[in-house]
Amino acid sequence: KQEVTQIPAALSVPEGENLVLNCSFTDSAIYNLQWFRQDPGKGLTSLLLIQSSQREQTSGRLNASLDKSSGRSTLYIAASQPGDSATYLCAVRDTGRRALTFGSGTRLQVQP
Amino acid sequence: NAGVTQTPKFRILKIGQSMTLQCTQDMNHNYMYWYRQDPGMGLKLIYYSVGAGITDKGEVPNGYNVSRSTTEDFPLRLELAAPSQTSVYFCASSGQGGSSYEQYFGPGTRLTVT
Repeated sequence: KQEVTQIPAALSVPEGENLVLNCSFTDSAIYNLQWFRQDPGKGLTSLLLIQSSQREQTSGRLNASLDKSSGRSTLYIAASQPGDSATYLCAVRDTGRRALTFGSGTRLQVQP
Repeated sequence: NAGVTQTPKFRILKIGQSMTLQCTQDMNHNYMYWYRQDPGMGLKLIYYSVGAGITDKGEVPNGYNVSRSTTEDFPLRLELAAPSQTSVYFCASSGQGGSSYEQYFGPGTRLTVT
């Protein structure tokens, strides 16, 4: 059974720092991996989707990498801003399965 | 383009009551999903559907039922509500194949059972 782990559970950084959020998964037979942002009391917003054949995806200040063989993904946020404060969730879709398996998230606080 | 919409936003139920959570998407997606999120946890799949008339169980289906009569709508039915069903419920949809599997989420329904 696939398990997704996100470390750390919470992170506080000063504005302007570059930071890395980590995601690990136990079964490397994945179809894709998706990073989401969740603001308090809100739904999930898709940030990046990486196919299993890809090594990374970029969107603005965000860069997500995927190392399938080691079961790891990282989300890199450049020049962090207070508006980046949110919970970031990692989720994987296993090959042959229909839905996503989620990690518990990393709660990020960017201090002005 | 509204994306995925859910109603109601909030609901309080008494133990033993029933209700239906509504979900509609306007992206012509074949795949639709129901997840629940307990405090401090990730999302867990309740049910999903790959098209009208086709549904299947996810990880935590007990106490819930679904139907899919149209491409747009995927309601979730709670029968005999229990305190363990207190949670936030999210509906999602996606296309099929490659990057089309990217899932889009609704704003959620916050349910309390007392």
